[in-house]
Amino acid sequence: QSALTQPASVSGSPGQSITISCTGSSNDVGSYNLVSWYQQHPGKAPKFLIYEVTKRPSGVSNRFSGSKSGNTASLTISGLEAEDEADYYCCSYAGSNTLYVMFGGGTKLTVL
Amino acid sequence: EVRLLESGGDLVQPGGSLRLSCAASGFTFSTYAMTWVRQAPGKGLEWVSSISHTATNTYYIDSVKGRFTISRDNFKNTLYLHMTSLRAEDTAMYYCATEPADNYYFDYWGQGTLLTVSS
Repeated sequence: QSALTQPASVSGSPGQSITISCTGSSNDVGSYNLVSWYQQHPGKAPKFLIYEVTKRPSGVSNRFSGSKSGNTASLTISGLEAEDEADYYCCSYAGSNTLYVMFGGGTKLTVL
Repeated sequence: EVRLLESGGDLVQPGGSLRLSCAASGFTFSTYAMTWVRQAPGKGLEWVSSISHTATNTYYIDSVKGRFTISRDNFKNTLYLHMTSLRAEDTAMYYCATEPADNYYFDYWGQGTLLTVSS
């Protein structure tokens, strides 16, 4: 099984909204509401943002939201701020006996 | 406050062995599944291995099966990753992370420990 597909980069200006897509298959993203999202700043550990497609843990800004349609999950960041510039990774239950979860390749967000 | 502190990363020759540790505090370790995720230099995140809260179930990515062993000591609140037959492609920052209730997401992460496999 391949990693989930994310765009290599996205960009937006402060105050705008952006969406990062995460495309899997009917075996993983399409069949289970078990997609999570992580933010990683350079040289830092990943930070947990979204779980079970749409749920936001306590302490995470409501500017971050998740959704899913078919085999594609999405992370939307509204009201972009300079501090949002980071790498973002999606992750899904793999729905397989041979793979537990799989990550997307990551998306570099640039705040212009 | 949840804290995860990885240790054990080092420079190892190809074919060598190493054990990584992850010391946990600030939560009830024995009730969480735990996971190792790695990140090669300049690359993305890659799930490596997971273990259930009682250690009954373990899971590995195909590329490390038969070479890596995940384990935990719920009395010492510590997670381990014993790695053998190391290859250059195992070079990465290794993060441990908590997984609540086997729900396939990872809510707390350590700062990572660096493994370099090179002659």
